Amino acid sequence: DIQLTQSPSTLSASVGDRVTITCRASDSLSSRLAWYQQKPGKPPKVLIYEASRLETGVSSRFSGSSSGTDFTLTITRLQPDDVATYHCQQYRRTPWTFGQGTKVEIK
Amino acid sequence: QVRLQESGPGLVKPSQTLSLTCSVSGDSITNGGYYWTWIRQPPGKGLEWIGYTYFGGATFYNPSLESRLTISEDTPKNQFSLRLTSVTAADTAVYYCGREKYWSPYIQDWGQGTPVTVSS
Repeated sequence: DIQLTQSPSTLSASVGDRVTITCRASDSLSSRLAWYQQKPGKPPKVLIYEASRLETGVSSRFSGSSSGTDFTLTITRLQPDDVATYHCQQYRRTPWTFGQGTKVEIK
Repeated sequence: QVRLQESGPGLVKPSQTLSLTCSVSGDSITNGGYYWTWIRQPPGKGLEWIGYTYFGGATFYNPSLESRLTISEDTPKNQFSLRLTSVTAADTAVYYCGREKYWSPYIQDWGQGTPVTVSS
């Protein structure tokens, strides 16, 4: 199985900050990576797919990038509504696998 | 706009079988452009992809669950189901059903999730 390692596990930042979450894959994904936002008690919601493509209707404050097997989710101008857990997922090879999640909090 | 809704018992005894159904509206599960998928999330933990059904009943399962798992379709009812045998406490989780595009199979649409506890 392809392993995904997210860092950090928890992130605390101020409103208006730019925050970055990293997801490192154990094998090449050929951009087959998605990012999800999950708020407590809710299902995940896709933000980014194909590593850098913004899902329709998602704020442009969210962006994704990649370099080799490292993938990054960036949130610019952090807002209170962005408090959530963020998950990466690879769909390059079955079984699809997820990172362990990054919890984003407001200072 | 597709809508997915999970249903099933919230409590299952150890060693018994967990059965859940996902009811789909706004699309047909016979739509060959999509995988119809199950995912779960144990309390306080990350997400685990369980498996999917597609193309009129074909399936693909996570090898970690394959020996205990069956995913099936009920096309007249536009539903698909999960059946997991010999459950243990480790199967306690929120179970989600979802829809993935065949050509880019990230999980674009999710149900609200249904919590299942395995306990005597």
